[in-house]
Amino acid sequence: SYDLTQTLSVSVALGQTARITCGGDNIGSKNVHWYQQKPGQAPVLVIYRDNNQPSGIPERISGSNSGNTATLTISRAQAGDEADYYCQVWDSNTVLFGGGTHLTVL
Amino acid sequence: EERLVQSAAEVKKPGESLKISCKGSGYNFSNYWIAWVRQMPGKGLEWMGIIFPGDSTTRYSPSLQGQVTISVDKSINTAYLQWSSLKASDIGIYYCARLAKGGSPNWFDPWGQGTLVIVSS
Repeated sequence: SYDLTQTLSVSVALGQTARITCGGDNIGSKNVHWYQQKPGQAPVLVIYRDNNQPSGIPERISGSNSGNTATLTISRAQAGDEADYYCQVWDSNTVLFGGGTHLTVL
Repeated sequence: EERLVQSAAEVKKPGESLKISCKGSGYNFSNYWIAWVRQMPGKGLEWMGIIFPGDSTTRYSPSLQGQVTISVDKSINTAYLQWSSLKASDIGIYYCARLAKGGSPNWFDPWGQGTLVIVSS
């Protein structure tokens, strides 16, 4: 089965750049989608198809995907970015989520 | 506005049955797949299965097949997730989410607000 690996937690200083990774075998050949989940709330789509922002998502949240790693980049981090982030792919007609990364903004 | 609204929280005993719902509005409900996603306490997201309201085609996660049933009533724009006999381990928040048009390998947006299921004797 296909596995997605995310770092459990990432910390970033206010105003700096955070990078959250999602590892998988040749993940660069798949479409990767990212979700943000704040405490007590439902997940929200922040990036679709590797590097596309849905309406309403600021441009400082971006994505990339190559080789064995997909990356969600949050520039000029704000306190409101503190949340859990999940990557998602499809494999063999099933949906897979990464284990999630908690982003702390210091 | 395109949205999914889920039924309220439930408190049940082990062995009881349960059916929770997810009602879509603001779009053509029959044309988009609806997925169910589980989040156990303090844990990540886990895909349970997906249904196409237009013809009720359903797929389940291999790890959860047989433990739950996904169904739909397209006449009232509502998808369901049901258990015939709850276990304590079924505790969690259950989300429905709409798959973007085109199906696999697309993304989920929007999501319902979640339904908390508590199973306790």
